[in-house]
Order: sequence, then structure tokens, then C-alpha cells
Amino acid sequence: DAGVIQSPRHEVTEMGQEVTLRCKPISGHDYLFWYRQTMMRGLELLIYFNNNVPIDDSGMPEDRFSAKMPNASFSTLKIQPSEPRDSAVYFCASSPGQGLTDTQYFGPGTRLTVL
Amino acid sequence: GNSVTQMEGPVTLSEEAFLTINCTYTATGYPSLFWYVQYPGEGLQLLLKATKADDKGSNKGFEATYRKETTSFHLEKGSVQVSDSAVYFCALYPGNTGKLIFGQGTTLQVKP
Repeated sequence: DAGVIQSPRHEVTEMGQEVTLRCKPISGHDYLFWYRQTMMRGLELLIYFNNNVPIDDSGMPEDRFSAKMPNASFSTLKIQPSEPRDSAVYFCASSPGQGLTDTQYFGPGTRLTVL
Repeated sequence: GNSVTQMEGPVTLSEEAFLTINCTYTATGYPSLFWYVQYPGEGLQLLLKATKADDKGSNKGFEATYRKETTSFHLEKGSVQVSDSAVYFCALYPGNTGKLIFGQGTTLQVKP
């Protein structure tokens, strides 16, 4: 299995630009998670989906952030407009689902730099 | 509510030293407990887990025992290597939602 795939691995953009991060979860996994990691705040859960439906988006910082999961094999996290304080590493993770196993499998992350 | 507290880092050890990273938790019910490791430039990966009280998880020489009486899940390794240098995250899964609750992470530096 290829594992969780994220693209791009690195993104450098200017303040005010739109940024789209992409994730392909492991096939057959029912849950998908978006995390953000910074030195100051550590690892933060932004949003997660179950069977393509958003379950908890309470970690999304503000309206500039949005996430979608149009099908079981693809999700996007969009920031519009981006700001320098959005600079972080963004991780996507997937898990098979409750009652089966609760282990999450992380992608390699996207390092976002907003100038 | 549910929460995880880890000892602050960084933890700096010499090669072959004994490692303990403390983790305590607060949870309702009977959570599963995890240790994840993050090597430089990579995503988190599962190191070990335990799903019920007194279970011991182990992997790559690391061990942790689920202690319900002390609400702890301390990570130990008898002899660390330079390649163990990484950030270690303790986490719990409450079982009634889909999400993990992570601690703040502890950085381990092992010097030759």
C-alpha cells in the first residue's frame, strides 16, 4: 500500500494568495484528518471526516480555511487568502474507523511558507 | 474531558542510556493509548499501543504499560541509539469519537 499521499510537499506563496493542499488517504479507510503543526502551538487537529462527511471542524482557525472531501480517495484543505501566520506543516492522516482499529496513518506533510 | 500531558523536553541522553518519557492522561471511560514517533522531516508514525489496563505495548525495543490506577503510559527503552532521536507523542483514543487526543510531544536527542 502506498500510504497516505500529500501534495505538494513544499509550498511557498505570498500573502493574500490562495493555497490548496491535497491528500489521498489509504484505500478503504473511513476517516480522514487534517492537522497543523507549528513550533508554537504543536500539533493541532483542524477537521476530520467520516465517510466523506465533515464531523468536527472546531479546530479550523477561521473562515479563511475550508476543507472538502468530494470522494473517498481525495480531500483538499484550502486557505484563502493566506497569511504569514498560516506558515506551518500540514499533515493529513487516515484511519480504518471505529471498532476496527483506531490507529491513524500520517502522510509526509506539506510544509507551507507564506511570505 | 479528555487530555494528555507529557514531560517537557528536550530530553538529551548519551547512547546506550535508559530512556523514560512520562505520559499521564485524563479520560472518561476506557481509552486506548498510543505512542507515536516523528523523525525529522517526516509525518508521525505509530510506535506502539495498548487497548486496555495492564496491557504492555512494545516495538523496536520501546515499551509502555497501560496503568489505569495511575492514569499513566510512560515510554521506556533500555538502551537508546542515536537513530532514536525524534519527537515522541503520547495520545489517547476515547472510543466515542473518531479522533485522537495528542500530548504536546517530547523531543529526544541522543548523542554518540
